Amino acid sequence: SQQGEEDPQALSIQEGENATMNCSYKTSINNLQWYRQNSGRGLVHLILIRSNEREKHSGRLRVTLDTSKKSSSLLITASRAADTASYFCATDKGSYIPTFGRGTSLIVHP
Amino acid sequence: EPEVTQTPSHQVTQMGQEVILRCVPISNHLYFYWYRQILGQKVEFLVSFYNNEISEKSEIFDDQFSVERPDGSNFTLKIRSTKLEDSAMYFCASSRDVSSGANVLTFGAGSRLTVL
Repeated sequence: SQQGEEDPQALSIQEGENATMNCSYKTSINNLQWYRQNSGRGLVHLILIRSNEREKHSGRLRVTLDTSKKSSSLLITASRAADTASYFCATDKGSYIPTFGRGTSLIVHP
Repeated sequence: EPEVTQTPSHQVTQMGQEVILRCVPISNHLYFYWYRQILGQKVEFLVSFYNNEISEKSEIFDDQFSVERPDGSNFTLKIRSTKLEDSAMYFCASSRDVSSGANVLTFGAGSRLTVL
């Protein structure tokens, strides 16, 4: 299975700090995506990075991809209390069906 | 903004009963999915559906599960005889296409199934 595994499982920071979450996977991939899930809600797509890309930005989000290490990181800069959520990475291969990990639970204290 | 809607939001059922979870995907999307998430665990792929048939399914999606698109808007997941371990949040998702080489899913809010 190429599913990603997020690290750490839980992260607690103060508002204004940066949050970094990592994702590792096992096989080659086409794309890697990051999704966010607020408690008890569905997943919301944040950003997609293709296997031939190394870095992408979207607002306060920065995603990197290192295919040689089979890993990705999601950086949220200047975090806000509203960023409190679980963050999942999802990888896909031939069929383009995203496979998710267990997620990182982020708590941002005001 | 278009969204995926799911009903019911929460269903409680007795073990052995049949359950149907309903979803209305985004209208111009072509690919439909069911995932589930047992409390605190990973989001697991169940099945994908395209062109009125199952395109891929996981090991979880055994003979107790079935999907249907009975009309032009609804997409349903049926569990024929529920077990305790079927208790989970079930998410429906849809996507427009994969022709760009990327597949971004839009998820519904989920249906929480509790089997007693």
